[in-house]
Amino acid sequence: EADIYQTPRYLVIGTGKKITLECSQTMGHDKMYWYQQDPGMELHLIHYSYGVNSTEKGDLSSESTVSRIRTEHFPLTLESARPSHTSQYLCASRPWGADYGYTFGSGTRLTVV
Amino acid sequence: EDKVVQSPLSLVVHEGDTVTLNCSYEVTNFRSLLWYKQEKKAPTFLFMLTSSGIEKKSGRLSSILDKKELSSILNITATQTGDSAIYLCAVGGGGSNYKLTFGKGTLLTVNP
Repeated sequence: EADIYQTPRYLVIGTGKKITLECSQTMGHDKMYWYQQDPGMELHLIHYSYGVNSTEKGDLSSESTVSRIRTEHFPLTLESARPSHTSQYLCASRPWGADYGYTFGSGTRLTVV
Repeated sequence: EDKVVQSPLSLVVHEGDTVTLNCSYEVTNFRSLLWYKQEKKAPTFLFMLTSSGIEKKSGRLSSILDKKELSSILNITATQTGDSAIYLCAVGGGGSNYKLTFGKGTLLTVNP
């Protein structure tokens, strides 16, 4: 059973809407990540956090923003969705210490029409 | 720029076949190489290989890290239809800013 939860699983919205993708984990992990994955393509890191009040942009430029007010919660927000934002968004976390793998959430598949 | 390249990108086999998936990397301050299996949802962790653990095995799956060649292979013996998935290779590096860089994955289809 997953200890990292993403909601919603699927979302279809209109252009220009503001949306927030939720990610929560119950493992007490300090480090959390958002990846974007298009079909047939690799996962690209768009945001990460090393703890409360810490957020950084990843390798792939993204118009989204994130916040980390609580250890367990790492939401991603798009202020004005566009069709180019259509993708799968995966949240992951890991404990402090470099040599640990990530635990992934089930993902949110976003379609902007 | 860190890079992870997987091959082949897709592979179709019959049940019972043995397959070998490849992963090569160029990563700053290499720390670990991870294999994940991704079906319809989230990637699930298979193995992590490091300098101190270059070979891992679990059931029909095994993986080896070649630090000299900057590569890894994932072997699956006696494949089953349930092995059909995308297999992702990810490499951890970056020193104090440790993060994973992913390859595009290998789509494995096992036909009955």
